[in-house]
Amino acid sequence: TQLLEQSPQFLSIQEGENLTVYCNSSSVFSSLQWYRQEPGEGPVLLVTVVTGGEVKKLKRLTFQFGDARKDSSLHITAAQPGDTGLYLCAGAGTSNSGYALNFGKGTSLLVTP
Amino acid sequence: NAGVTQTPKFRVLKTGQSMTLLCAQDMNHEYMYWYRQDPGMGLRLIHYSVGEGTTAKGEVPDGYNVSRLKKQNFLLGLESAAPSQTSVYFCASGRVSNQPQHFGDGTRLSIL
Repeated sequence: TQLLEQSPQFLSIQEGENLTVYCNSSSVFSSLQWYRQEPGEGPVLLVTVVTGGEVKKLKRLTFQFGDARKDSSLHITAAQPGDTGLYLCAGAGTSNSGYALNFGKGTSLLVTP
Repeated sequence: NAGVTQTPKFRVLKTGQSMTLLCAQDMNHEYMYWYRQDPGMGLRLIHYSVGEGTTAKGEVPDGYNVSRLKKQNFLLGLESAAPSQTSVYFCASGRVSNQPQHFGDGTRLSIL
């Protein structure tokens, strides 16, 4: 299993602040996904990054894949209460380590008005 | 847009009872997965399937069995439920290996 470490584990900020969450591994991934999960629901895919150094933007969210494809970050600008949720990263292996994604434990974000 | 549908949404069992969780997807996806999510543990893969009639073990398969008799359905069975199997179970599907996955809304299972 290719382990993914997410940090911080918990984050509580006020509306309007910026934040960055991290997803790190010692393994190389062929691609990496970010999901957001709200209470009582399943994870919902936000973005997939494939190329080392790739940057993708989704409104106020900016995702970056590390050059070596071992890490990724999610930056949120001017956070809003609607951004509250559990953010999960998931990496797809490059070898025959299995058909499924390896998930990190998540960063729980709370944005207060 | 149904996507991935899980039934039931909630269930309480007594230790030793058996039950089956059903997952249905309407996107014609080849790959289907069962995960469990526990506090502080993240999502852990139980079993998966790469196509109709195939199943394979994931990270935590003990105590569970699965079947994929039809492409659109993936069943997860607990033959003799144990309190350690109290969890939220998620089914997911995907078009090909390593492609983004679509998740159901989960089954919340308590074993007393």
